[in-house]
Amino acid sequence: EVQLVESGGGLVQPGGSLRLSCVVSGFTFSSHWMSWVRQAPGEGLEWVANIKQDGSETYYVDSVKGRFTISRDNAKNSLYLQMNSLRAEDTAVYYCARNELTAFDIWGQGTMVTVSS
Amino acid sequence: QSALTQPPSASGSPGQSVTISCTGTSSDVGGYDYVSWYQQHPGKAPKLMIYEVNKRPSGVPDRFSGSKSGNTASLTVSGLQAQDEADYYCSSYVVNNNYVFGTGTKVSVL
Repeated sequence: EVQLVESGGGLVQPGGSLRLSCVVSGFTFSSHWMSWVRQAPGEGLEWVANIKQDGSETYYVDSVKGRFTISRDNAKNSLYLQMNSLRAEDTAVYYCARNELTAFDIWGQGTMVTVSS
Repeated sequence: QSALTQPPSASGSPGQSVTISCTGTSSDVGGYDYVSWYQQHPGKAPKLMIYEVNKRPSGVPDRFSGSKSGNTASLTVSGLQAQDEADYYCSSYVVNNNYVFGTGTKVSVL
């Protein structure tokens, strides 16, 4: 069964850091681009970042550039998002998703990140 | 990169059709045939319904169809059913491996 399971969310103060993880099973992780997509409470979806199969290329939405870092460990079938200098506007459910044919074809269940003092 | 523009809501009676628009620019929707559509039920993760403008993943009913003209893409749901009531989002590839989503449309089945 294809599965993406996120973890690492929680409550963090403004300016703090958090590292999200996404463990993948059921497909060849190393063959796919992967992305993080977030959704603020009551709001729409926002693409955050993506990473090439071998980790050699990464891309970010402007609002997180310089603060967030996407990475992967193909040996552990794992995707990561290191989030630094967190702001209230980063509060959201963060989903990991598989990229296939320029779409997001498989999604995890999401992990909630709340940035508040 | 600004979000693609979708109508906030759309509705139809069971058995009818509803069409949702997704308007962007020549840098996203109009520039690539890489528009996808997602269905999201409350509290659930999004589900891919259409990719590359008009292609359906395995398991998605053929009641769902997509199209594009210029800078506007559309999703049509024919033969509306109660389980189609959900939020729908479009997405487009943008230059340099970036992506942008639409503002979302809440579809109600009357």
